[in-house]
Amino acid sequence: QQQVKQSPQSLIVQKGGIPIINCAYENTAFDYFPWYQQFPGKGPALLIAIRPDVSEKKEGRFTISFNKSAKQFSLHIMDSQPGDSATYFCAASKLGGNEKLTFGTGTRLTIIP
Amino acid sequence: SQTIHQWPATLVQPVGSPLSLECTVEGTSNPNLYWYRQAAGRGLQLLFYSVGIGQISSEVPQNLSASRPQDRQFILSSKKLLLSDSGFYLCAWSADTNQPQHFGDGTRLSIL
Repeated sequence: QQQVKQSPQSLIVQKGGIPIINCAYENTAFDYFPWYQQFPGKGPALLIAIRPDVSEKKEGRFTISFNKSAKQFSLHIMDSQPGDSATYFCAASKLGGNEKLTFGTGTRLTIIP
Repeated sequence: SQTIHQWPATLVQPVGSPLSLECTVEGTSNPNLYWYRQAAGRGLQLLFYSVGIGQISSEVPQNLSASRPQDRQFILSSKKLLLSDSGFYLCAWSADTNQPQHFGDGTRLSIL
């Protein structure tokens, strides 16, 4: 019940396209859903996060869509650039306790010029 | 601003040797601290977390231990490394349990 399933495992998109990465969770108690971006040899960096009281959140070219009834959320990257090439992780947790993020397995995104 | 430091960046150790990885946070007080392991093709697995000095919670039984001797210092240790301990180890901090976690740049540990 603690799993977060992420797909696809890898994704290649042409510059300007809109890569979409999907995640599904099982634990209905989760109420915090962040996305992290990780470049090779670096630690993950928080990109954007959403709470289940909204269905969409945008920050710059990054958008999270959230479907509470389906227990799914996804990351969209508008006007993707080669510099967006990285591994993306979704995660989920329940705020308000000693929070432990449950991570998806990651998506390696490559944006080709 | 807050910063997190991990060292060393890479480490090669023989099987059976001891381990000590250090993580320090600057610019904040009483942070929550976390140790994760990232294996290839897998997500990040939480190993330990700490909400204060001397307070350590272990998430998975294993060959590793953690300590927090000072408010902003978190140490990951092992008395005898196994081949299966190879991986990318990440330290993270958060201001409290309702705040995002921020990661260091990790230590790549290879066991020979």
